[in-house]
Parts: sequence; C-alpha cells; structure tokens
Amino acid sequence: KAGVTQTPRYLIKTRGQQVTLSCSPISGHRSVSWYQQTPGQGLQFLFEYFSETQRNKGNFPGRFSGRQFSNSRSEMNVSTLELGDSALYLCASSAPQGRGTEAFFGQGTRLTVV
Amino acid sequence: SQKIEQNSEALNIQEGKTATLTCNYTNYSPAYLQWYRQDPGRGPVFLLLIRENEKEKRKERLKVTFDTTLKQSLFHITASQPADSATYLCALDDSGGGADGLTFGKGTHLIIQP
Repeated sequence: KAGVTQTPRYLIKTRGQQVTLSCSPISGHRSVSWYQQTPGQGLQFLFEYFSETQRNKGNFPGRFSGRQFSNSRSEMNVSTLELGDSALYLCASSAPQGRGTEAFFGQGTRLTVV
Repeated sequence: SQKIEQNSEALNIQEGKTATLTCNYTNYSPAYLQWYRQDPGRGPVFLLLIRENEKEKRKERLKVTFDTTLKQSLFHITASQPADSATYLCALDDSGGGADGLTFGKGTHLIIQP
C-alpha cells in the first residue's frame, strides 16, 4: 500500500508570492492533517480535513488555507509569503475511524522563502 | 497554559545500553499518547501508542510507560544501536485520536555512540 505522498519535496519562493502544496493520503484514509515544522517551534498543527470539510484548525493566520477533494487528496495554500514561513510542511493521514490510531506522515515539503 | 516538555538537550547513550526519554505534560488530559521517530529531512514515523488506562506498552526493544498522575510518559529503547539515533517525538491526543488531535513535543535528539 502506497504511503502518504507530498509534492513537491522542495520549493523556493520569494516573499510576497503564494504557494500551493499537495498531499495524497493513504488509500482509504479520509482524514488529512497539515503541520508546520521549524527548529524553534517544533511541529505545529495547521488544520485537518475530513470528507472535504475542515474539522479542526490551529493557531495560524488566514494566509494559511487548505482544502480537500472528493478523493481525499488535500492541498494547502500560503499567500503573501513571509521569510518566517520557511519550514518543513508535513501532511499526515489517518484511518477512517480516526480515533486512537496512528498518524502516517509524508516526507514533507521543504519550503524556503527568500 | 498547555505544555509538553521533552529533554531539549541531545541525549548521548553508549551502544548496548538502555536509552530513556521523558515526556512531561501540563494542563492536558490525553486519552492517548504516541511516540514517533523522525530522521533528518523526513516525516515522523509512528512507533507506539498507549491509552490512558494502560500503564505500559512494549514492542520489540521499545517500551513506553504512561503515568497520568505524574503526567509523564517514559520511552525506553533497550540494547540500543547506532541505527536508533534519531529525534523522538511524543504526541498527546486529548480529542480522541487520529492525526487531527495530536499535539507534539519538540522532541529529543538521541545519539547512540558505538
């Protein structure tokens, strides 16, 4: 069974631009969550989608948004990029029941804002 | 405020010894606690999950304890090997499980020296 796939793996953008990251969860998983990881803050929860609906949201500005498609694939978008948005962005999916189960992470997208 | 604390310093252990990592939390009532391993530039990989009504869980050379009175989990690797060198993250789940409910500590960098 294929794991969680994130594309692209690496990205360099300029301040003020916007970026879209993609995540394909494990087949059959309907819950997709996004995290930002930086050396100073660690892993921080961005938002979670389940069956195309945002079910939970972390404490990030409105420049960070996401969506989920009917096939459970998810995208996150960051608009008006700032230098501080440079981070490893991780996507995780979990089993349908989503309770008391492990999270499966992708390899991440390394975003560098210059 | 809610807080998850893991040893912020790197932990150096000699090969063959037992490595013990600590995760302390405040102002949480987690239903589950999970441990993940993360290698540089990669997404976290699930290791073990322990429920609030379980005191201990084992998997091969790994053992996790969960003390809800002390608000602490200990993660042990016995007969440690250089390949065990990585960052280990504890994650609390106080919303019922799945990727959306996880709050991560900043991780402990474990170094197993030959």
